[in-house]
Amino acid sequence: EVQLLESGGGLVQPGGSLRLSCAASGFTFSYYALSWVRQAPGKGLEWVAAISGSGNSTYYTDSVRGRFTISRDKSKNTLSLQMNSLRAEDTAVYYCAKFRDFFLFLDYWGQGTLVTVSS
Amino acid sequence: EIVLTQSPATLSLSPGQRATLSCRASQRISSYLAWYQQKPGQAPRLLIYDASNRATGIPARFSGSGSGTDWTLTISSLEPEDFAVYYCQQRSNWPLTFGGGTKVELK
Repeated sequence: EVQLLESGGGLVQPGGSLRLSCAASGFTFSYYALSWVRQAPGKGLEWVAAISGSGNSTYYTDSVRGRFTISRDKSKNTLSLQMNSLRAEDTAVYYCAKFRDFFLFLDYWGQGTLVTVSS
Repeated sequence: EIVLTQSPATLSLSPGQRATLSCRASQRISSYLAWYQQKPGQAPRLLIYDASNRATGIPARFSGSGSGTDWTLTISSLEPEDFAVYYCQQRSNWPLTFGGGTKVELK
């Protein structure tokens, strides 16, 4: 059974940093691209970042490029999102998700972790 | 960036009725389109991928169709558990984008 379990969310001040983690199990970790998707309170889904199975290719939405870094550790089956220079508009539930095939569709999602950016 | 516009924003229907949800793309996209269902407090769930293929375990009452810029999710006969928010998503181009969602609510 595929499982994705996020952790690391919390309250952080504007300009601060936070690192999210996603522990993956139930599939061959290095075979699949992974992604972070966020959802602001009461709003829709927004794709944030993606990384290939090998970790060699990464993609970001424009609003986080240069501030956020997606990475993966195959020895720990863990996906990470390092978030720096956080802004109020980054407040959201952050979901870790697995691509079904290459970088197309997200077939498994974690339950999410809440990040609140506020003073 | 490809913008996906979903309509209507809210659909008020009764169990047993047919639901037709629309997703219009700002430019022609290939069939790299998916539909997700999200219930309150839960993560999204993949329903349809490649525009018309049902994901594992998804009932046959859910179907996807369309071409070019106009795509449709149809729920043939609503069950009580189908009342939720539905999102379309494209990956014809980067960045991956989602539509704004359609809420299917109980009439």
